[in-house]
Amino acid sequence: GENVEQHPSTLSVQEGDSAVIKCTYSDSASNYFPWYKQELGKRPQLIIDIRSNVGEKKDQRIAVTLNKTAKHFSLHITETQPEDSAVYFCAASYSGNQFYFGTGTSLTVIP
Amino acid sequence: DVKVTQSSRYLVKRTGEKVFLECVQDMDHENMFWYRQDPGLGLRLIYFSYDVKMKEKGDIPEGYSVSREKKERFSLILESASTNQTSMYLCASSSSRLYTDTQYFGPGTRLTVL
Repeated sequence: GENVEQHPSTLSVQEGDSAVIKCTYSDSASNYFPWYKQELGKRPQLIIDIRSNVGEKKDQRIAVTLNKTAKHFSLHITETQPEDSAVYFCAASYSGNQFYFGTGTSLTVIP
Repeated sequence: DVKVTQSSRYLVKRTGEKVFLECVQDMDHENMFWYRQDPGLGLRLIYFSYDVKMKEKGDIPEGYSVSREKKERFSLILESASTNQTSMYLCASSSSRLYTDTQYFGPGTRLTVL
């Protein structure tokens, strides 16, 4: 089955700096890669996703890149703000039938 | 707006008790999932269902069973709760009809087994 690894497990950045979280996956059949943000005590919420036919996707300060050859994808957050502090999860899926999650990255943005 | 609800936010049970966790979604989604979330381990899939009365084992099905009698409702059952099942349980749903495969999560149930 699929195996998703996520790094780093914790990340601290100064407000205004960029943050990058990386994930690798093992199954080349995976074709959908969502990223979720989970604030303390709340449910995971989708923040951005990318499909295997696209190399990069951007939504305001958030971007995701996908390298299918190397089987890795990354989340980029620019101009970080304190409200970006949360746990971020990556996931890989083949057609949405089963999702495999990374172990999460706890991001702290220091004001 | 998709809504996924879970029957309890917090639950305390004793070892050996039978525990029912219920999840309801209002978007006519075909797929429903049960995960448990533990520190350092991320979200691990227990069971999922892609249709009424259909179920598939996830990565950690031992000690759990599920029931999907109606499309909108997916129940997780702990036949005989044990302390190592103390965890946060998250339900999710997604559509297989649309190209978008986004999962929508419920608020979670924090289960403590004493």
